[in-house]
Amino acid sequence: LAKTTQPISMDSYEGQEVNITCSHNNIATNDYITWYQQFPSQGPRFIIQGYKTKVTNEVASLFIPADRKSSTLSLPRVSLSDTAVYYCLPYNQGGKLIFGQGTELSVKP
Amino acid sequence: DSGVTQTPKHLITATGQRVTLRCSPRSGDLSVYWYQQSLDQGLQFLIHYYNGEERAKGNILERFSAQQFPDLHSELNLSSLELGDSALYFCASSLGTGLFNEQFFGPGTRLTVL
Repeated sequence: LAKTTQPISMDSYEGQEVNITCSHNNIATNDYITWYQQFPSQGPRFIIQGYKTKVTNEVASLFIPADRKSSTLSLPRVSLSDTAVYYCLPYNQGGKLIFGQGTELSVKP
Repeated sequence: DSGVTQTPKHLITATGQRVTLRCSPRSGDLSVYWYQQSLDQGLQFLIHYYNGEERAKGNILERFSAQQFPDLHSELNLSSLELGDSALYFCASSLGTGLFNEQFFGPGTRLTVL
């Protein structure tokens, strides 16, 4: 199975912009890149999905370069409530989600 | 609230026992997925059902089985339980099975095997 690499943890302060980069060297032509967020003891929650260039919604932005071998989730002006684990899922396995380690984001006051 | 419900919320049982976890998908969703989350293994995909039919299997043990009923709710059966089966079990649902599938996760069932 192709590998996904993202930082294990990140620290930030309230009001800052946070960028989490994920590398996925073996992404296929028909793979979409999806990010999920998970709070402790809760199920993951879909944040954003994209194929190339830039996607923005009310929660985050997703930047994908032309070669699509990496993607960056951008969270503008984070708050304490953004403290969570963020998972990058670049590979479509017939609908099932294959979760890696994720990035544990800690936002401090 | 994702619209996916799971019961029970907590379950404590002994080794060797059998339990059933229940999931009701969001209204209109035809796909149900089961995931297991433990401290040492992380979030692992177990099995996927679409409109009553099994579509994909992941790291699901032979002691575990699942089904999706005509009303689209799903049950995950865990038998001959071992200490290592203690985990959070999540159910997720989605409308279809395509590549653009946003999955909606339930609150989970925390299983403790003593």
